[in-house]
Amino acid sequence: QVQLVESGGGVVQPGGSLRLSCAASGFTFGDYNMHWVRQAPGKGLEWVAFIRHDATDECYADSVKGRFAISRDNSKNTLYLQLNSLRAEDTAVYYCARDGGSGSYSLDYWGQGTLVIVSS
Amino acid sequence: QSALTQPASVSGSPGQSITISCTGTSSDVGNYNLVSWYQHHPGKAPKLMIYEVSKRPSGVSNRFSGSKSGNTASLTISGLQAEDEADYYCCSFAGSRNWVFGGGTKLTVL
Repeated sequence: QVQLVESGGGVVQPGGSLRLSCAASGFTFGDYNMHWVRQAPGKGLEWVAFIRHDATDECYADSVKGRFAISRDNSKNTLYLQLNSLRAEDTAVYYCARDGGSGSYSLDYWGQGTLVIVSS
Repeated sequence: QSALTQPASVSGSPGQSITISCTGTSSDVGNYNLVSWYQHHPGKAPKLMIYEVSKRPSGVSNRFSGSKSGNTASLTISGLQAEDEADYYCCSFAGSRNWVFGGGTKLTVL
C-alpha cells in the first residue's frame, strides 16, 4: 500500500536551516508529481510546494518562495524540502503528499507529517 | 493567493445531512473543476474524500458528495456518523501550478 513517511523536523533558531525528507513506498515514485503542505499550530492547511515527477519543474507558495527548495531523488524514492532563512511563522507540521495524477490536481495520499519549530 | 473561505464550524446529529461551503474566486474555484476535499483527524494524515469537484476515490463512502456553482464549492455528508467528526478542508487548483486551501471547517457530530 502507498506509504509516505516524513522525517527531519525539529527545533531550529530563526534564520536557521533544516532539510525534511519524505520516504515513499508502495507505488512507482518516479511516476508521480509530489507536494509539500504545512499546518501551523491552530491553523488550516497551507500548500507549500510542488515538483513534477521528473523534477523538471517546481513551484512554491509566495510565503516560502526564495527560502524553501523542493527536490527529489527518484533512485531513492525520496522527496525533500530544504528550509532556509526560517522564521517563527514557518513553525508547522509539514506533510508530503502525492499528486493523484491524471489531471486531477488533487493530493491522494499524505504522510503523517513532521513538526518544525522555529524558536530561539 | 488568498485562502478559500469556509465556515469555521458546522454540526449535525447522527443520521442528518450537513453541507460545508467553500468560496473562492473566478481565478480558482470558479475557473477550474479541480476542487478537492480532505478529511483530517488531528494527529493523523489528511484523507482525500472528493476530487474534481464531485468524484469519490475508491473506498470513500457514497455518503460524501461534492458540487460546485460559480465560485462556491460544497461538500455534503449525508447520514452523519460519529466517525465523520473531523476537520474538513477544500482545495482548488489556482493556475500556474499553484494550489490554495480553505481555512478548514470543524464538523461536530452531536
